[in-house]
Amino acid sequence: QVQLQESGPGLVKPSETLSLTCAVTGYSISSGYYWGWIRQSPGKGLEWIGSIYYGGPVDYNPSLNNRVTISLDTSRNQFSLRLTSVTAADTATYYCARLGVEWLGNYFDPWGQGALVTVSP
Amino acid sequence: DIRMTQSPSSLSASVGDRVTITCRASQSISTYLNWYQLKLGKAPKVLISGATTLQSGVPSRFSGRGSGTDFTLTISSLQSEDFATYYCQQSYSTPRTFGQGTKVEIK
Repeated sequence: QVQLQESGPGLVKPSETLSLTCAVTGYSISSGYYWGWIRQSPGKGLEWIGSIYYGGPVDYNPSLNNRVTISLDTSRNQFSLRLTSVTAADTATYYCARLGVEWLGNYFDPWGQGALVTVSP
Repeated sequence: DIRMTQSPSSLSASVGDRVTITCRASQSISTYLNWYQLKLGKAPKVLISGATTLQSGVPSRFSGRGSGTDFTLTISSLQSEDFATYYCQQSYSTPRTFGQGTKVEIK
């Protein structure tokens, strides 16, 4: 059974960099599938941040203005999110998830439980 | 970007009620439409993919229909564990986009 678990600081100061890690168990991330990050700001809906495929493309949401980097660490079987120059608007629950093998028509499954990150001085 | 619009944004219903949530895409997405259930403190869960395919382990009271721009998620007989927020999401193009969510509350 594939399981994902987010980890990282729960509090980040404005203008600094948010860093989160998603540990994957039950499946090797180098065996395929897309892996992605989604966030939900308080009282708002879901926003796709970006996705990565082992040995393949990385796609980011243009709305994040080139502040995002997603990377894979196959030695630890985890993937990471970095979001630079954060503001209060980046306060959200951040989820990691696996997507499908193909990009077209894939879906997020499974998801991690989510990690709340607050941006505050 | 493809805009996804859900309606209603919230609804109140009783156990046993039939509930339908609508999702409309700003352009045709064929059947590349997924539905998710979110509950506080739990990992989100995919219910339906490809507009109509029920995911493994999801009760058969959930069903999805539609293609092109108009889609629906129906719960045929609402159960207590179904009170949650539901989101549609298109998987046709990048960036992936979600509807704004529909909160299903107890009447």
